[in-house]
Formats: sequence, C-alpha cells, structure tokens
Amino acid sequence: GENVEQHPSTLSVQEGDSAVIKCTYSDSASNYFPWYKQELGKRPQLIIDIRSNVGEKKDQRIAVTLNKTAKHFSLHITETQPEDSAVYFCAASGSYQLTFGKGTKLSVIP
Amino acid sequence: DTGVSQDPRHKITKRGQNVTFRCDPISEHNRLYWYRQTLGQGPEFLTYFQNEAQLEKSRLLSDRFSAERPKGSFSTLEIQRTEQGDSAMYLCASSSPGQVRNEQFFGPGTRLTVL
Repeated sequence: GENVEQHPSTLSVQEGDSAVIKCTYSDSASNYFPWYKQELGKRPQLIIDIRSNVGEKKDQRIAVTLNKTAKHFSLHITETQPEDSAVYFCAASGSYQLTFGKGTKLSVIP
Repeated sequence: DTGVSQDPRHKITKRGQNVTFRCDPISEHNRLYWYRQTLGQGPEFLTYFQNEAQLEKSRLLSDRFSAERPKGSFSTLEIQRTEQGDSAMYLCASSSPGQVRNEQFFGPGTRLTVL
C-alpha cells in the first residue's frame, strides 16, 4: 500500500518568514495530493491540493509543488502569520482513500 | 451548518462496552469515509462507502468494528467489546462523485476514551 513520509515534524518560524513542509510517497499510482490544516481540537481542513498532471499550484500565500518522478511534493507558506500556527498534514490518494503523513506542527512566532 | 456532522463529540466508556458513533455527510455527497486519528499521528483510513455499499475495509478494522450506511445517507460505526487501544479520534469525511479531485471534507470527529 501507499506510504507517506512527512518532514519536519516540528517547524518554528518568525512571523513574516516562509515555511516549507516536504512529503514523499511510495505508490506511483497516486494522483491526488491534498494538504490539510488542523488546529487543536478541530477537524482537518483542506487548504490546497494538486493532481499529478500539474507541477505547481498557488493560492495567495500558499503553494504546492509536485515532482512525480521523484515522488515528492511540498507545501510552501509565504509571509507567515500567527494564525498559520497549526498541524499540517500531507496526503496521497490513488482512488478513494487518503494516506496521510504524520504531520508537521508549525509555530509562527510573533 | 451544511458541513459534515458527527455525534457524539466525546464518548467515555469502560473497557468491554459497546459504542456507536454517527456521521451525517454533506447532503449531496454519496461517498463517505471513516478514519481514526491517534495523538500525534495523521488520520488512518478505516472504511469507505459509496451510497449504501461498503466498498473497502482497512486491515485496521478488526472484527469488533462494523460500519453501516443503510440508506446511503448517514453512517454508523460500532465498536464492540472496546479495548483501551481503541481510544482515538474517529473522523468521518464525505466527498461528491462529481469532483475531478477526491476532495474530502471532514467532520469534527468523535473522541473516544476507553477506561
């Protein structure tokens, strides 16, 4: 089955700096890669996603890149703000089920 | 609120008891998923329904677990003879068949504590 590795597990940045979270996947059949943000005690919320026929996608301060050959994808957050502090999960999917990474706890220091 | 809803939000039970959770998906979504999330981990897939048909079950879903979606709308997840290792957040998600992407929307979860 699919295996998703996510790094780093924790990340601290100063407000205004950029944050990058990286994930690798194992199943070449995976073709959909969402990122979820989960605040403490709340549901995971989809923040951006990308399909395998696209190399990069951007939505305001958030961007995701995908390298299908190397089987890795990354989340980039620019101009970080304190409200970006949360746990971020990457996931990969080939059909219906999502396989998640273990998460990255992002702390944005004011 | 038109999002995915789950009930109850919290459940505390004693080992050996049975528990049942309910999930109401977004109304037009015919796909429904159950995941389990333990502290410090990402959600893990348990099972998937398309309408009323249960199409996939993870190996994580032991014989003590059963899920139903009798009319293709809400779903229930039952755990029999609970064990302390069952303590986790149980998340439900739903998606629409018309989506190009498998965009899944999550509910708030049911936090189970087995004493």
